Amino acid sequence: DIQMTQSPASLSASLGETVSIECLASEDIYSNLAWYQQKPGKSPQLLIYYASSLQDGVPSRFSGSESGTQYSLEINSLQPEDEGDYFCQQSYKFPLTFGSGTKLEIK
Amino acid sequence: EVQLVESGGGLVQPGRSLKLSCAASGFTFSDYYMAWVRQAPTKGLEWVASISYDGGSTYYRDSVKGRFTISRDNAKSSLYLQMDSLRSEDTATYYCTTGLLKGFDYWGQGVMVTVSS
Repeated sequence: DIQMTQSPASLSASLGETVSIECLASEDIYSNLAWYQQKPGKSPQLLIYYASSLQDGVPSRFSGSESGTQYSLEINSLQPEDEGDYFCQQSYKFPLTFGSGTKLEIK
Repeated sequence: EVQLVESGGGLVQPGRSLKLSCAASGFTFSDYYMAWVRQAPTKGLEWVASISYDGGSTYYRDSVKGRFTISRDNAKSSLYLQMDSLRSEDTATYYCTTGLLKGFDYWGQGVMVTVSS
């Protein structure tokens, strides 16, 4: 199975700051990487697919990038509504696997 | 507007069965791979099973293989998950979701399954 190692587990940042969340795949997943945001008590929402493609309706302050098997989600100009949990997920090979999640707190 | 509405959850004893349903609307159901993803209380997301457009191909995580069956009825725009021999570790909120390679783009509100005696 492909392991997705996500970091950090949690982070706290202020309004307007820029943060980055990382996911390391245990093998090459050829950009088949998605990012999700989940707010408390809500269903996950797709933010990014194919590592860097922005899902329709998602603000442009969210962006994705990759370097080898390392994938990153960057959130610019943090807003209060960005607080929540973030997960990466590889869609290259079954079983599909998620990262363990990052809890983002807005100070 | 895309809608995915799950139903069929509840409290069930270990070893018993439960069948989840997901009613889809607002999109052409047969154009999408479908999947079930679950989330145990206060835990992360876990993919459970996926099914191809016509139901001809199905995929499962090892821990549910042989116990769970994913199916679909394109005429009814519905997705199902038959869960047999349930275990306490199957306790979770189960989400119906669409897609595969481009990620899971639409999600239902989730349905809670509690396996306990």
